[in-house]
Amino acid sequence: AQSVSQHNHHVILSEAASLELGCNYSYGGTVNLFWYVQYPGQHLQLLLKYFSGDPLVKGIKGFEAEFIKSKFSFNLRKPSVQWSDTAEYFCAVNANNAGNMLTFGGGTRLMVKP
Amino acid sequence: EPEVTQTPSHQVTQMGQEVILRCVPISNHLYFYWYRQILGQKVEFLVSFYNNEISEKSEIFDDQFSVERPDGSNFTLKIRSTKLEDSAMYFCASKTDHTGELFFGEGSRLTVL
Repeated sequence: AQSVSQHNHHVILSEAASLELGCNYSYGGTVNLFWYVQYPGQHLQLLLKYFSGDPLVKGIKGFEAEFIKSKFSFNLRKPSVQWSDTAEYFCAVNANNAGNMLTFGGGTRLMVKP
Repeated sequence: EPEVTQTPSHQVTQMGQEVILRCVPISNHLYFYWYRQILGQKVEFLVSFYNNEISEKSEIFDDQFSVERPDGSNFTLKIRSTKLEDSAMYFCASKTDHTGELFFGEGSRLTVL
């Protein structure tokens, strides 16, 4: 069965700091990878996704993620965070033999201090 | 921008009562889902629905749960006899096709007393 780990549960940064949130998954086959964000009081929104091709994926709001197959990782990065990036971030995986099911990581709560 | 809407936003119920959570997916979407998140835990897949039938379900989705798309617009999740451990945020989601972006609703918080 596929599983997703997000090792950082809480991250606190100052504005303009660089961000990297870790995501590792366990599944040996082909995967589709996602990062979702949930701003306070709002629904889950897709930040970016990887299906195939260039392993460096650019998403909305200056976020990017790199798929490293050998490390089973899909870390999320942003060079300079803003206060408005305060939110919870979820990594999710869909393995090709898992149909339409997304498996989510436990989430990372990011707080950006102004 | 089209969005997935869910009602109610919060429901409090007594253990053993039936609960129906309602969702209106985005109108041209064909795949529908329910996920839930127990407080402090991961978002978990419950069920997916396509072509008027369940396409996948998780171990959580036992006989107490059912889904229905009664009228072509609503997508409902029914819990027949709620238990304390059903307390969670329930998210509805939909997408256009197999590889499309999954759009989530804002969630319905269920509290079982």
